[in-house]
Amino acid sequence: EVQLVESGGGLIQPGGSLRLSCAASGFTVSNTYMTWVRQAPGKGLECVSVIYTGGTTKYTDSVKGRFTISRDSSENTLYLHMKSLGAEDTAVYYCASNLAVTGGFESWGQGTLVTVSS
Amino acid sequence: QSALTQPPSASGSPGQSVTVSCTGASSDVGAYNYVSWYQQHPGKAPKLIIYEVRKRPSGVPDRFSGSKSGNTASLTVSGLQAEDEADYYCSSYAGSNNFPYVFGTGTKVTVL
Repeated sequence: EVQLVESGGGLIQPGGSLRLSCAASGFTVSNTYMTWVRQAPGKGLECVSVIYTGGTTKYTDSVKGRFTISRDSSENTLYLHMKSLGAEDTAVYYCASNLAVTGGFESWGQGTLVTVSS
Repeated sequence: QSALTQPPSASGSPGQSVTVSCTGASSDVGAYNYVSWYQQHPGKAPKLIIYEVRKRPSGVPDRFSGSKSGNTASLTVSGLQAEDEADYYCSSYAGSNNFPYVFGTGTKVTVL
């Protein structure tokens, strides 16, 4: 059974850093296109970052230079390293596995809440 | 990269059909047959219900169907049931030159 479990969210002060984790089971993260999607409170879904099977990474403009997506094959885990956090980054962060490079987010984790506030 | 445009709300009575539109541009929805749809109940993670415009993942009822014409994709829910009340989001592939994925603004479907 495919399962994704996020962790690492919490309350962080503006300007701070945080690392989110997404532990996968039932499939191999390094063989799958993986995406981070966030949802601000009461708002819609926004794709934040994707890592391709070959290791190519992409970021939406609002997080370029601040967020880094990575994966650990030995742990079968996806990460999102976030720095210079601002109030606009407050959201539930989901990891998702793609059906293909063209999208179709097939499996989702339960999400982890990141709150940026002083 | 702008979000795809969806109506904020849609509604229908049990047993009826409701259609949700998703309007993009010639660089995303209009360019590729890679539109997907997601159902999200309050406090839950989204669930994939349609991919590649009209394909349904295993386990998704055939009451859910998708289509596309030009820059606009559509999701139709036939035979509305109470459990279909949820938020629905479309998403499209937008090519490899920029960030490849864009979501719609979301539609709240209410079963009257």
